[in-house]
Amino acid sequence: DAGITQSPRHKVTETGTPVTLRCHQTENHRYMYWYRQDPGHGLRLIHYSYGVKDTDKGEVSDGYSVSRSKTEDFLLTLESATSSQTSVYFCAIKGGDTEAFFGQGTRLTVV
Amino acid sequence: SQQGEEDPQALSIQEGENATMNCSYKTSINNLQWYRQNSGRGLVHLILIRSNEREKHSGRLRVTLDTSKKSSSLLITASRAADTASYFCATDRVEKLTFGTGTRLTIIP
Repeated sequence: DAGITQSPRHKVTETGTPVTLRCHQTENHRYMYWYRQDPGHGLRLIHYSYGVKDTDKGEVSDGYSVSRSKTEDFLLTLESATSSQTSVYFCAIKGGDTEAFFGQGTRLTVV
Repeated sequence: SQQGEEDPQALSIQEGENATMNCSYKTSINNLQWYRQNSGRGLVHLILIRSNEREKHSGRLRVTLDTSKKSSSLLITASRAADTASYFCATDRVEKLTFGTGTRLTIIP
């Protein structure tokens, strides 16, 4: 299995609090992605990174920010969590024009 | 809006039959990929087809790509109960990898 881990795996948080999800890889892959998965919507791209300190917005980036200060770590921050951000979040990594590898997912509940 | 759209949204077939899923997308691509997801798990890569290829095979999987119509299809032959899962197409523009809404496939034993 590709070396990619997400933490935490489960989190319950209150509305209005900041939350940070971490994606860590040991593959030295250039590209990293954050998706959210909700019933009926498949996977929607939140943000992605194409190198250290190089990030860009996906299709559902409002309310989210990211940072990549090292090749191996890609952080997703919900600045002020809302109930609409309750979802399952997946991180993925990709080396180039090749397949992507996914983490196990983080189930986030905002109450 | 999402780059890819799969059709049908759900498909139920008898074990042993073939399953066909279709994907349509909107912009130019470097390659198109298909993934599988078992309930609640991460996605697993199945097959990648490059923009200059028209057909690709891997075991019981056959993928076609028509860049003029911006569409792809995934055929699973001789289906098994273990093929029950959700299947997603993904359009790859190297930096940006976007997924469709998926097809939920159920194989009836």
